[in-house]
Amino acid sequence: GENVEQHPSTLSVQEGDSAVIKCTYSDSASNYFPWYKQELGKRPQLIIDIRSNVGEKKDQRIAVTLNKTAKHFSLHITETQPEDSAVYFCAARGYGGATNKLIFGTGTLLAVQP
Amino acid sequence: EAQVTQNPRYLITVTGKKLTVTCSQNMNHEYMSWYRQDPGLGLRQIYYSMNVEVTDKGDVPEGYKVSRKEKRNFPLILESPSPNQTSLYFCASSLGARGNEQFFGPGTRLTVL
Repeated sequence: GENVEQHPSTLSVQEGDSAVIKCTYSDSASNYFPWYKQELGKRPQLIIDIRSNVGEKKDQRIAVTLNKTAKHFSLHITETQPEDSAVYFCAARGYGGATNKLIFGTGTLLAVQP
Repeated sequence: EAQVTQNPRYLITVTGKKLTVTCSQNMNHEYMSWYRQDPGLGLRQIYYSMNVEVTDKGDVPEGYKVSRKEKRNFPLILESPSPNQTSLYFCASSLGARGNEQFFGPGTRLTVL
């Protein structure tokens, strides 16, 4: 089945710097890759997603890139702000049959220092 | 307001005492899912449901049961809870299974003594 690895587990950056979180997946049939942000004590919320027919997607200060050949995808946050501090989860989903499951990475705790 | 609700939000119970965590969504979503969140392990899927009367195991189904008798409700049942089921549980729903945003409930903090 699908396996998703996420690195780093913790990341500390200065306000205004960029942050990059990387994930790899094992199932080449996976075709949907969302990123969720979970603030302390809150529920996970989708911040951006990408499908396998696209290499990059941007939404203001956040972007996601996908390398299907290498089976990895990354979250990029530019001009970080204290409110970006949270746990970020990547996920991968297969298509059809037994691969309808959404498999999450283990999460990255991002701390943005003012 | 479109939302996913869970009850109870917090529960402390003892080993072996059957319990049910309810989940309800008002968005007419077909796909619903249960996850548990544990430190260092991220979110792991317990069970999911593609539609009414259609359920399937996720990655960690042992010790759990689910049912989907109505589209809006997807209760999680622990027939005989054990301490290793102490965790934070999230219910989620989406329009479909194919690459649609999952909306999460507020979470249920369960402690099994």
